[in-house]
Amino acid sequence: AQTVTQSQPEMSVQEAETVTLSCTYDTSENNYYLFWYKQPPSRQMILVIRQEAYKQQNATENRFSVNFQKAAKSFSLKISDSQLGDTAMYFCAFRRQGGSEKLVFGKGTKLTVNP
Amino acid sequence: EAEVAQSPRYKITEKSQAVAFWCDPISGHATLYWYRQILGQGPELLVQFQDESVVDDSQLPKDRFSAERLKGVDSTLKIQPAELGDSAMYLCASSPVGQGIYSAGYTFGSGTRLTVV
Repeated sequence: AQTVTQSQPEMSVQEAETVTLSCTYDTSENNYYLFWYKQPPSRQMILVIRQEAYKQQNATENRFSVNFQKAAKSFSLKISDSQLGDTAMYFCAFRRQGGSEKLVFGKGTKLTVNP
Repeated sequence: EAEVAQSPRYKITEKSQAVAFWCDPISGHATLYWYRQILGQGPELLVQFQDESVVDDSQLPKDRFSAERLKGVDSTLKIQPAELGDSAMYLCASSPVGQGIYSAGYTFGSGTRLTVV
């Protein structure tokens, strides 16, 4: 079974600074997908960024980028130029390719951006 | 922008009572998921539907939980009887089928916050 570990329950960062959230996972699969989801206080889970395991190039979406280390099974999220609206719970998630398409989530990191 | 609709947003129920949640996925999304999110934890899959068929319900406590998606569109999740430990956020999500390599993420609803007293 796959597991996802987020070792930072809470983090804080000053507005405009950069912060990195950590995620490690365990799987015997070779092909899979990794995601970062954001859950603001309004509760709706929103996809931030995704990475296909077969791609060596790290995904980027505007101020969000990942550092994907397949051999180390590590998938960290970097948020640049942090904004107050980035305050939320962030969940790392794993999804195998094929079969059940369920997402396996970590426990989340609560990020607070301070003015 | 299309949304996954869930109701109610909040539900308070007494222990041993029955409770039901409703989800309407994005039109055309064949796959529907129910997740449970206990406070302070990540969501965990309860049940996955492909059209009206259950694909995965391995984590669904079948002695008290049931889920249906009769016409392959909207879905209902029921708990009977409710227990204190069922207090959680219940999230519904949907996705198109057969995304292949595109691996798009799901679209989540805003959830139903259940409190069992």
